[in-house]
Amino acid sequence: DTEVTQTPKHLVMGMTNKKSLKCEQHMGHRAMYWYKQKAKKPPELMFVYSYEKLSINESVPSRFSPECPNSSLLNLHLHALQPEDSALYLCASSQEPGSVYNEQFFGPGTRLTVL
Amino acid sequence: AQKVTQAQTEISVVEKEDVTLDCVYETRDTTYYLFWYKQPPSGELVFLIRRNSFDEQNEISGRYSWNFQKSTSSFNFTITASQVVDSAVYFCALTGIFSGNQFYFGTGTSLTVIP
Repeated sequence: DTEVTQTPKHLVMGMTNKKSLKCEQHMGHRAMYWYKQKAKKPPELMFVYSYEKLSINESVPSRFSPECPNSSLLNLHLHALQPEDSALYLCASSQEPGSVYNEQFFGPGTRLTVL
Repeated sequence: AQKVTQAQTEISVVEKEDVTLDCVYETRDTTYYLFWYKQPPSGELVFLIRRNSFDEQNEISGRYSWNFQKSTSSFNFTITASQVVDSAVYFCALTGIFSGNQFYFGTGTSLTVIP
C-alpha cells in the first residue's frame, strides 16, 4: 500500500462548528505532515510529527489542533475557524523524520470551506 | 537560506509540443535534494523525481527529462510531445541537510496543454 488517504474530500463548516480532518498511511512512515494550500499557491507547512510526537508547529493559530493517535493516523481538529481558513488541506508522510533525501507522499487533500 | 524560484507562472502549449519548466534554487547547504511534483486538478501532489546535489547526470523517464546544472543552480524539467493529461501545476522543491526534511516549494508553474 503506497498511498496516503484523507477524509473527508470536501468539508463545509460554519465558524462555530467543530470538525476533524483525518489522514492515514500504511507505508510504515515515521514522519507525517499537515500542509495548507490556498489557490494558485504552493503548500505551506503547518505541522510535522516525528515518531508520533509533534516536532514542528509553524506558528499555526490554536484553532487548528493536530493529533497523532498512532504511527498510521494523523488528525487535524478544527474549531472556530475563519473564512480565510478556507483552503486545501494536504497530509503527507515520509519514511524517516529529519532525513533530507526522503520524498514526501501526499494525500488527495480535503477542500475546506468556512462560511 | 533556502529558496526556489519558478519564474514561469503559466504556460500553454499545443498538444505534441515540447515544453520546459524552469526551476532555479538558492541554498547554502553543500548536501541538498531537489524534487519535482505534479499537482493535477484533483489536488494530490504526485512525486516525479528526486535528485541529489552530487549527481548532475540528466535523467529521462519516458516523455519526461530533467536537466540539473549545479553551475547555474537550475533543475529544469522537459516534457516531450506533451499530452492533455500533462495539464497540471508543477512544483519544484528543495531540502537541505540543515533543514531536515522540510520542503521549500517554488511557487509552481501551471501548464495547460491544448488539444
